[in-house]
Amino acid sequence: DQQVKQNSPSLSVQEGRISILNCDYTNSMFDYFLWYKKYPAEGPTFLISISSIKDKNEDGRFTVFLNKSAKHLSLHIVPSQPGDSAVYFCAASARTDSWGKLQFGAGTQVVVTP
Amino acid sequence: EAGVAQSPRYKIIEKRQSVAFWCNPISGHATLYWYQQILGQGPKLLIQFQNNGVVDDSQLPKDRFSAERLKGVDSTLKIQPAKLEDSAVYLCASSFIRGIYEQYFGPGTRLTVT
Repeated sequence: DQQVKQNSPSLSVQEGRISILNCDYTNSMFDYFLWYKKYPAEGPTFLISISSIKDKNEDGRFTVFLNKSAKHLSLHIVPSQPGDSAVYFCAASARTDSWGKLQFGAGTQVVVTP
Repeated sequence: EAGVAQSPRYKIIEKRQSVAFWCNPISGHATLYWYQQILGQGPKLLIQFQNNGVVDDSQLPKDRFSAERLKGVDSTLKIQPAKLEDSAVYLCASSFIRGIYEQYFGPGTRLTVT
C-alpha cells in the first residue's frame, strides 16, 4: 500500500529555470513531511521539511508547499543548477508515531541541462 | 563529524546463500534504521532500533532476515537464505533521538542475488 506517491519518475529542466516536484499522500495522519536528495552511489541526504501547521517553508533556493486539504506537497527549486541533478524523495511521518517512522515515495529523477 | 559507515559497498551472491551487512552510525545517535531500496522504489523501513532494542520490525521478513545492534552502537543485518527478490540497496540510517528528526543515511550496500 503506497501511502506516499511521486507520480513523475523524471523531470528535465533547463539551468536557471524552476523545478517543481510533486508528492501526494493518502494517510491523513501524516503531519510532517521531508524531502531527501540522492546522488548515485550515495545515501539520501536531508533537504528540507515542513510541519502540517505550516503551508510553506523556504530554505535558500528550495521551497516546500503543503496543501493539506488536497494531501499534496511540492518542492520548488529556483533557480535550478546542474548540481541539483539527482533523485528527490518525498517522505512523510505521523507525530502519533513516536518512533518517527518515515514512508518514502518512489522518487523523481531531476536532470538539469545547461 | 564522521557520517554513517556501511560495508561492504557491493555484494554478489547466489540464491540460497547467506550475506551480512554492517553499519556504524554517527557517534551518539541512539536510533538506527535499516531500509531496503529496490530499484525504482523509495526506501522501505525494515527494522528500527532505539539503542539496542527493537522498536519496529513489522516489515522485516523474519523467516530469512535478522538484525542485531549489540551494545547499542553498530549493527548487522543478515539474510539467510537469500532470494532473487532480495536484490536491492540496503541503507542504514541513524538519528540523534527517537521521533521525527532528520535521519542521516550511509552510502548503502548494493546486493545482487543471482
